Amino acid sequence: NAGVMQNPRHLVRRRGQEARLRCSPMKGHSHVYWYRQLPEEGLKFMVYLQKENIIDESGMPKERFSAEFPKEGPSILRIQQVVRGDSAAYFCASSPGQGQLSGYTFGSGTRLTVV
Amino acid sequence: QKEVEQDPGPLSVPEGAIVSLNCTYSNSAFQYFMWYRQYSRKGPELLMYTYSSGNKEDGRFTAQVDKSSKYISLFIRDSQPSDSATYLCAMGLVTGTASKLTFGTGTRLQVTL
Repeated sequence: NAGVMQNPRHLVRRRGQEARLRCSPMKGHSHVYWYRQLPEEGLKFMVYLQKENIIDESGMPKERFSAEFPKEGPSILRIQQVVRGDSAAYFCASSPGQGQLSGYTFGSGTRLTVV
Repeated sequence: QKEVEQDPGPLSVPEGAIVSLNCTYSNSAFQYFMWYRQYSRKGPELLMYTYSSGNKEDGRFTAQVDKSSKYISLFIRDSQPSDSATYLCAMGLVTGTASKLTFGTGTRLQVTL
């Protein structure tokens, strides 16, 4: 039973390029969450999605960042025109349903470096 | 003031020691209290969770919640070098569509031989 799969594990982008981070939730999980971890900081909530719906995007920067979880395929976190400050580890988590925080499982993350 | 405060450490203890990790929080609405362990370059792994005040034990780990003081703790007995990691406290609430966790900054623990 594969866990939450994130790819790529490492991503290097030049300033101004686009970054696409992918997350496949655990089998049977229909809720996906994205978090960002900056150096020496805790994880910060970004967005919560269900299939084809954004439920809570209160943690997403207003510009350049978007997320989707299509009916088929993985969830995508997209960062346009990346800047150095976007360098961080981005973690995806999934859960079986809303409120089932005990089933919250994280992936190994994508480490984005902007040069 | 941050919603969740956690001493970043690092904390260094000898093998076999009892470790105490702590967090305080300001939002009395939090309903879930969790501890995650994160090894270097890995994702957080859930260690323990609880919904109520009191103690919860699982093997060498005990989670303690005091809602009146807004204070949670994780105790590790007979610590092992393999316990060396960053420990993150996290708190959550589920109201309406909200189902997100608020994390502390993490405490880095080193257990030495």
